Amino acid sequence: QSVLTQPPSASGTPGQRVTISCSGSSSNIGSNTVNWYQQFPGTAPKLLIYSNNQRPSGVPDRFSGSKSGTSASLAISGLQSEDEADYYCAAWDDSLNGWVFGGGTKLTVL
Amino acid sequence: QLQLQESGPGLVKPSETLSLTCTVSGGSISSSSYYWGWLRQPPGKGLEWIGTIYYRGSTYYNPSLKSRVTISVDTSKNQFSLKLSSVTAADTAVYYCARRGILPSPFDPWGQGTLVTVSS
Repeated sequence: QSVLTQPPSASGTPGQRVTISCSGSSSNIGSNTVNWYQQFPGTAPKLLIYSNNQRPSGVPDRFSGSKSGTSASLAISGLQSEDEADYYCAAWDDSLNGWVFGGGTKLTVL
Repeated sequence: QLQLQESGPGLVKPSETLSLTCTVSGGSISSSSYYWGWLRQPPGKGLEWIGTIYYRGSTYYNPSLKSRVTISVDTSKNQFSLKLSSVTAADTAVYYCARRGILPSPFDPWGQGTLVTVSS
């Protein structure tokens, strides 16, 4: 059971806007920043969003992140077939004194 | 461009110790700006943080694994290593090494990962 809660799946059609939620608590998301990773089958996770809403160089601006209270969201606008992947949220947990992850959301582009 | 590469046995017997090494290239592991970490992902499941080390040797471990984990660093070889003792089938996973900044920073980049299977 993951400390951060994500929906196991999400889907959308090309061009649509999709959001993926990540729910935590006061000891993790509520007091620390959230990072998002994108993972394609058989490959290592890649940093997609850091510090709640910052994009690393090279990440398209179609990807955006936000945080409110103890929850965070990843939004993908102008959905493309190549966005089909697994997405994970992560944050530091002050109570566990360690990094915690969501269980991952599998995004399907219909 | 910084690259990380995991190496080690792909098969470990139950109750034995899993040992992996991460070789860092394109940058120095002795940089004061970064921590170095191990994470894992069981087949078909999510990510789990195992632990993190600073080049001076200070370590931070996942409380759920702390009693079985040792992470060490060899600055002369630009490598850091993971040892996980008393393994069971539940420790079967793809193991990743990664870098993160000193501030509450994300893990980036990651190594390609190596699958370790625990089986007799």
